[in-house]
Amino acid sequence: SAVISQKPSRDICQRGTSLTIQCQVDSQVTMMFWYRQQPGQSLTLIATANQGSEATYESGFVIDKFPISRPNLTFSTLTVSNMSPEDSSIYLCSGVRGAENTEAFFGQGTRLTVV
Amino acid sequence: GENVEQHPSTLSVQEGDSAVIKCTYSDSASNYFPWYKQELGKRPQLIIDIRSNVGEKKDQRIAVTLNKTAKHFSLHITETQPEDSAVYFCAAKKGFGNEKLTFGTGTRLTIIP
Repeated sequence: SAVISQKPSRDICQRGTSLTIQCQVDSQVTMMFWYRQQPGQSLTLIATANQGSEATYESGFVIDKFPISRPNLTFSTLTVSNMSPEDSSIYLCSGVRGAENTEAFFGQGTRLTVV
Repeated sequence: GENVEQHPSTLSVQEGDSAVIKCTYSDSASNYFPWYKQELGKRPQLIIDIRSNVGEKKDQRIAVTLNKTAKHFSLHITETQPEDSAVYFCAAKKGFGNEKLTFGTGTRLTIIP
């Protein structure tokens, strides 16, 4: 599978500020996804990052809070805007090559703490 | 949308024994079922997957079985070792490429030496 480099790996942020998380894939992928994972919990899909168009958000997540960019087939960013302590979580990006290759692989995650 | 239930939430087994984790899914159109292992502080890693045209798949000590009629699938780990201790997630999706995965709630597996 391909390799995703995600950064930052962790950050501590002040409430009211924004943080942008980046994911770089070492080869082209058709789809990229952004997840949130609370400690000890499962992965919750935030949105599908669409190359060249607006992301598709899941119920409960909105673009103003989690703007996403995907300028090409190997790179995507997620911004957590106007942060509050409730945004403290692990954020993970994922890629899928598509077609025959259905494996979803993940970045190493960003552990965000909002104080 | 798809809903995936996973049981048990925690599982402890003696080293060398077998472990079984079960998942059920709601959407009969789902056709791809991966299992991920997540060690503490690490990213989820695919350990095995199965497609709906197959009933069972094995990879050394790990096997997955699928019952499409009952809409459930299971992960079997034999001869468990301490390094098998982790959280395991099942998932399901429709299609063979770009559709999103729906994850189960996870099982924390502890291998007792």
